[in-house]
Amino acid sequence: DTGVSQNPRHKITKRGQNVTFRCDPISEHNRLYWYRQTLGQGPEFLTYFQNEAQLEKSRLLSDRFSAERPKGSFSTLEIQRTEQGDSAMYLCASSLGQGSSSGELFFGEGSRLTVL
Amino acid sequence: AQSVAQPEDQVNVAEGNPLTVKCTYSVSGNPYLFWYVQYPNRGLQFLLKYITGDNLVKGSYGFEAEFNKSQTSFHLKKPSALVSDSALYFCAVRVSGSARQLTFGSGTQLTVLP
Repeated sequence: DTGVSQNPRHKITKRGQNVTFRCDPISEHNRLYWYRQTLGQGPEFLTYFQNEAQLEKSRLLSDRFSAERPKGSFSTLEIQRTEQGDSAMYLCASSLGQGSSSGELFFGEGSRLTVL
Repeated sequence: AQSVAQPEDQVNVAEGNPLTVKCTYSVSGNPYLFWYVQYPNRGLQFLLKYITGDNLVKGSYGFEAEFNKSQTSFHLKKPSALVSDSALYFCAVRVSGSARQLTFGSGTQLTVLP
């Protein structure tokens, strides 16, 4: 399968613990996005990379959240000192784009975080 | 700022009947508009997009959407619904001329009744 891959698919943790999610985008895609989705809501933008550069971050991304994309390939999203409000589905998407191109996003199946 | 509204949380339609899922948007500039579908325990799947040109856009699985600039709408349609079309549908917008992220609506649950 050459789609967007996310791991782990489900993570249960205790409040205060750190968690890390990994996203492997479609190999030729230079853009990578992280979104968060809670029940009954649409995906909310968190951050966006073009190659290895993090170009935009949402104000939803508090200082407990950090994302990286070393070498412009896979990406990790780390949440430190998790809170119950962090419980959500974390979605990764990738696209092939240059400049302001209109490439659609291809989404992974998500990583569901449950904070107890 | 950009935003999307999906005024209906739930749409029910009988199999074989036409379906419409509504979407309105707000952007400063020309919009790029998208529809995605989400099946249970699956990621979002791209259905179709409007960038420029013909206001009627055709996409996957027989879906189409009509861009209406004066009404700032981008409603999703299908002439004959299938039970397998039952899923959660999201409209999304991005302003043209920008590589910025998509802004999604809150979603509409479509149920096609046999």
